[in-house]
Amino acid sequence: NAGVMQNPRHLVRRRGQEARLRCSPMKGHSHVYWYRQLPEEGLKFMVYLQKENIIDESGMPKERFSAEFPKEGPSILRIQQVVRGDSAAYFCASSPPRGGGGTTGELFFGEGSRLTVL
Amino acid sequence: AQSVAQPEDQVNVAEGNPLTVKCTYSVSGNPYLFWYVQYPNRGLQFLLKYITGDNLVKGSYGFEAEFNKSQTSFHLKKPSALVSDSALYFCAVRDDGGFKTIFGAGTRLFVKA
Repeated sequence: NAGVMQNPRHLVRRRGQEARLRCSPMKGHSHVYWYRQLPEEGLKFMVYLQKENIIDESGMPKERFSAEFPKEGPSILRIQQVVRGDSAAYFCASSPPRGGGGTTGELFFGEGSRLTVL
Repeated sequence: AQSVAQPEDQVNVAEGNPLTVKCTYSVSGNPYLFWYVQYPNRGLQFLLKYITGDNLVKGSYGFEAEFNKSQTSFHLKKPSALVSDSALYFCAVRDDGGFKTIFGAGTRLFVKA
């Protein structure tokens, strides 16, 4: 059973460009979470999505950041007009649906996408 | 609102000695509590969780944690540390009615041979 897959693992962008980070959850998981980790800091919640729905985006910056989880395909975190302060590791995690059996509560993380803005 | 505090940025311990990594939390409902470990340039790996039941929970790699409701704490422990335990440890909390898992700032564990 493949784990959470994130790509690219490393992404370099110049200021003003767009960054797209992709996340495929574990098989059978319908909940996706995005977190940001700045150097030497903890994980900050960004957004929680289910298929075709944004459930909680309270951690997303108001501008330039957007996320989606379409019916088909991976979840996408999109950052427009990147700035140096966007340089960070972006982690995706997934979990099974509530009542879906198996483990409960814990998140399954991908290896992260490390964005560097020059 | 939920919150998690890990009061120590770093914990140093000699190999073979017991270790404790501290965590306190705040939630409005019943807490779901978790510990994760992160190795350099990797994602987080789940170690253990408390949902309900026994206050002492056992997890991967010989780690355990004790839930203390009165002190709102969930400290991570291991009886005998290994050099390979050196990593970044995160405590996390979710309330039983919510969706969002909140993480502490992390504690770097350094085990010296």
